[in-house]
Amino acid sequence: DIQMTQSPSSLSASVGDRVTITCRASQSIGRYLNWYQQKPGKAPKLLIYAASSLQSGVPARYSGSGSGTDFTLTISSLQPEDFATYYCQQSYDIPMWTFGQGTKVEIK
Amino acid sequence: QVQLQESGPGLVKPSQTLSLTCTVSGGSIGSGNYYWSWIRQPAGKGLEWLGRIYTTGSTNYNPSLKGRVTISVDTSKNLFSLNLNSVTAADTAVYFCARASRAVAGLYYFDYWGQGTLVTVSS
Repeated sequence: DIQMTQSPSSLSASVGDRVTITCRASQSIGRYLNWYQQKPGKAPKLLIYAASSLQSGVPARYSGSGSGTDFTLTISSLQPEDFATYYCQQSYDIPMWTFGQGTKVEIK
Repeated sequence: QVQLQESGPGLVKPSQTLSLTCTVSGGSIGSGNYYWSWIRQPAGKGLEWLGRIYTTGSTNYNPSLKGRVTISVDTSKNLFSLNLNSVTAADTAVYFCARASRAVAGLYYFDYWGQGTLVTVSS
C-alpha cells in the first residue's frame, strides 16, 4: 500500500498568513494527488485535483504543486473560513486509495 | 446538481452486519466514468477509504478490512450499498458515500459527498 504522510499535523496561523502543507507519498504517484478541506461535522470538500488543478468554485488563494512523492498545498492569504482540517489523497494505487492523516489549521 | 444521501441504522450490535445505503439524485449512477465509494471517519480521526464500485459493477476493497466489506449497486433505484460484517467497536465511525470522477486516465477525485451518517457499534 502507498502511505501518505502530511506535515505538520497541525499549525497555528493568523488571518492573512501564507500557509503551506506538505504531503509525502511512500512511493512515486506521479501527479495522482488530490487535496480536500473538511470543517467540523461536514463532509470533505475537494480543493485541488491532479496535484495542481483548482476545482471549480474554489478560491484562487488555494494552489497545489508537486509530483512524484512530494506535494504541497498553499493558501496564499489565510481567511477566517479557511480554518479547517486538510487532507491529501492518492488515486495512483490500484485498487487502494489512501488519505493522509490530516493537517489541522487553527487560529493563532 | 448531483446529491448523495446515506441512510441506515445508527446503532449496530457487535458481531452483526452494518448495512448502509447511498441514494444518488441529480444524475444516473449507471452512466459516466465514475466510481462510487464508501469512506469512514472515527470521531476525531482521519479518513479511511473502504472500497468502491464502478458503473459496470466491478469492485475493489481496502485490504485492511480483511474481506468483511461488500459494496453493491442497484441501478434501477439509483443507489449503492455497503455491508460490513462482524463489526466491533472499532467500526464506530461516521460513514460517507462519495462519487469519484475521472480527471485523466486512472486519476480520480472525490467531487461529491454525502453528508455522512454516524454508526455506533454497541450492545
